[in-house]
Amino acid sequence: AQSVTQLDSHVSVSEGTPVLLRCNYSSSYSPSLFWYVQHPNKGLQLLLKYTSAATLVKGINGFEAEFKKSETSFHLTKPSAHMSDAAEYFCVGLNGGYNKLIFGAGTRLAVHP
Amino acid sequence: DVKVTQSSRYLVKRTGEKVFLECVQDMDHENMFWYRQDPGLGLRLIYFSYDVKMKEKGDIPEGYSVSREKKERFSLILESASTNQTSMYLCASSSTVWGQGFHEQYFGPGTRLTVT
Repeated sequence: AQSVTQLDSHVSVSEGTPVLLRCNYSSSYSPSLFWYVQHPNKGLQLLLKYTSAATLVKGINGFEAEFKKSETSFHLTKPSAHMSDAAEYFCVGLNGGYNKLIFGAGTRLAVHP
Repeated sequence: DVKVTQSSRYLVKRTGEKVFLECVQDMDHENMFWYRQDPGLGLRLIYFSYDVKMKEKGDIPEGYSVSREKKERFSLILESASTNQTSMYLCASSSTVWGQGFHEQYFGPGTRLTVT
């Protein structure tokens, strides 16, 4: 079975500085991995997904993530944070049939002026 | 745009009440899911359904049941609400068809349920 671990529960950055949200996964096979974002009082929105094509995946709003098999990592990055990026981010794996998702515990990103 | 709607954004119920949470999707998706979200625990799957009248237990089904009589509608039922069921409940749907967002789950805005 696949599992995902988000290494930071909170990350705080200044506006205009890079963002790094870390995620490690464990899987006995080639995983499918996702990042979702949840803004306050909103549902979850898909940022990007990795499904064994290119290892560098580009998503919406300038985010990207790199799949590194040797490190079992799928970290989310953005070159320059914007105030509107403040939200909770979930690293998610796919487990089994019927599209069952396995969620990490979430990382809350704060962006300061 | 895919739209998943949930019947209530906020709900307050008393212990022992029967509670219905409704979810409707408009994209003809085969799969539908119910999660609960608690701080520090991420989202945990309660039940899911891959077809009308079909259901499968997720990771935390105890105290919950579901109903799917129509493809677009998936209901979560708390037979006798308890205070430990106070949580945010999220519904999602997904397609099983390649080229139609296969693997991608689309989420509703959530229902914040408080049981007193």
